[in-house]
Amino acid sequence: DAGVIQSPRHEVTEMGQEVTLRCKPISGHNSLFWYRQTMMRGLELLIYFNNNVPIDDSGMPEDRFSAKMPNASFSTLKIQPSEPRDSAVYFCASRRTGVGQPQHFGDGTRLSIL
Amino acid sequence: LAKTTQPISMDSYEGQEVNITCSHNNIATNDYITWYQQFPSQGPRFIIQGYKTKVTNEVASLFIPADRKSSTLSLPRVSLSDTAVYYCLVGLNNAGNMLTFGGGTRLMVKP
Repeated sequence: DAGVIQSPRHEVTEMGQEVTLRCKPISGHNSLFWYRQTMMRGLELLIYFNNNVPIDDSGMPEDRFSAKMPNASFSTLKIQPSEPRDSAVYFCASRRTGVGQPQHFGDGTRLSIL
Repeated sequence: LAKTTQPISMDSYEGQEVNITCSHNNIATNDYITWYQQFPSQGPRFIIQGYKTKVTNEVASLFIPADRKSSTLSLPRVSLSDTAVYYCLVGLNNAGNMLTFGGGTRLMVKP
């Protein structure tokens, strides 16, 4: 089975530009999570969806960040406008609802804002 | 969300058994304990999960005492490729799954 697929793997852009990160969860998984990882703060949960509906976005740092899940097989995390402090590795994870079901992570998008 | 505490780093040698203990004193009744492994430039990879007593799979064992306030990940006969960061997480395992990653334990396996 294909795992969680994220694109792009690397993104370098100038501050002020819009950045869109993409995620395709594992087929059949109905929960999706966006994380951010930095050396200073470790892995932080930004937002998660259940059945395409955002459940908790309390981890989203500010209004410049937004996430959507238009269907069960696709999600985006958008930053507009981007700032250098947004530089991090962004991970997407998905899981099947149910007791004992773990999250499965993609390999992340390494974002650098110049 | 239950907070976890684990050693920042550990060193071991090839062929040894490694035990990494995680403290989670305020674990809730419904919380599961999950361990992940992360290599550089990769996403965290699920290793093992348990609720109580002992769980074993082809990769590791997880020991959970009766009070569930701690857990120990046991890696038998580690190799150089087991060098990674290991995260212990505690959280609800249902539709409202919220997991908080702590700082993890950086395991260095030496030849």
